[in-house]
Amino acid sequence: QSVLTQPPSVSAAPGQTVTISCSGSSSNIGHNYVSWYQQLPGTAPKLLIYDNDRRPSGIPDRFSGSKSGTSATLGITGLQTGDEADYYCGTWDSSLSAVVFGGGTKLTVL
Amino acid sequence: EVQLVESGGGLVQPGRSLRLSCAASGFTFDDYAMHWVRQVPGRGLEWVSGISWDSYEALFGDSVKGRFTISRDNAKNSLYLQLNSLTTEDTAIYYCAKGYAVRPGNSRPIDFWGQGTLVTVSS
Repeated sequence: QSVLTQPPSVSAAPGQTVTISCSGSSSNIGHNYVSWYQQLPGTAPKLLIYDNDRRPSGIPDRFSGSKSGTSATLGITGLQTGDEADYYCGTWDSSLSAVVFGGGTKLTVL
Repeated sequence: EVQLVESGGGLVQPGRSLRLSCAASGFTFDDYAMHWVRQVPGRGLEWVSGISWDSYEALFGDSVKGRFTISRDNAKNSLYLQLNSLTTEDTAIYYCAKGYAVRPGNSRPIDFWGQGTLVTVSS
C-alpha cells in the first residue's frame, strides 16, 4: 500500500492528451514539492518533472506537472508510442521522515 | 554525463548479509546527497535510504531500519549499502541514485539513477 495514490493504468490514442493523478496528504504533497519519474520497460527511472512543475533539461514541453492542495497531476500531450511506460510520483513525507512514491501508473498508447 | 554503476548484487540466503557498491562519475560527488531505491521486478519503487554529502545525516525507510547501513567515500566517489539480516522480502533491484540537494531529508528530487543491481534472497 503506497503512501501516494495513483491510478494503476491509463490509456489513450497517439496524438491525444492524458493526465495521471497522484493523491497524498498534508504531510507529503500538501507541504512538499512533487517529482514525476518515467520508467520505460526494462530501464531505470528517469526524472521527468521536479518542484511540481519544472522540467529538467532535455525533457520536452509535452510533459507538464501541476499541484493543488494534496494532489498532483502529470500531463502528457501529443502522445507517442514511445511514451508507453510506468510513471511514478514522489515526494518527501514529513511525518514518516522518508521519501515516498506512488504505486505507479502504466500508460498504454493504443 | 552522470554515471552511476552498481555492483555487489547476487543470490544470498535468508539471514545473511550483502554489501552493495555504487561508483559515481560525471559530477562532483561530494556536493550531493545520495540514495538507494529498490524495486521488486514488476512492482513499484520503494525508497530505502539516503545520506547527506558529508555523511552526517543518514535516513532509512521503516522496512530496513536497524538492518541496513548506508555509507559513502567521497575520496573514491563511491556509495555503499550494507544489507544485514536479509529476508525474502528484500529481494529486489537496488538502484543507486543521486539527490538534487546536499541532504536527503527534503522534497528535492532524485535526479539520476543507475541501472540497478539485483539482490535475490532465497534458500
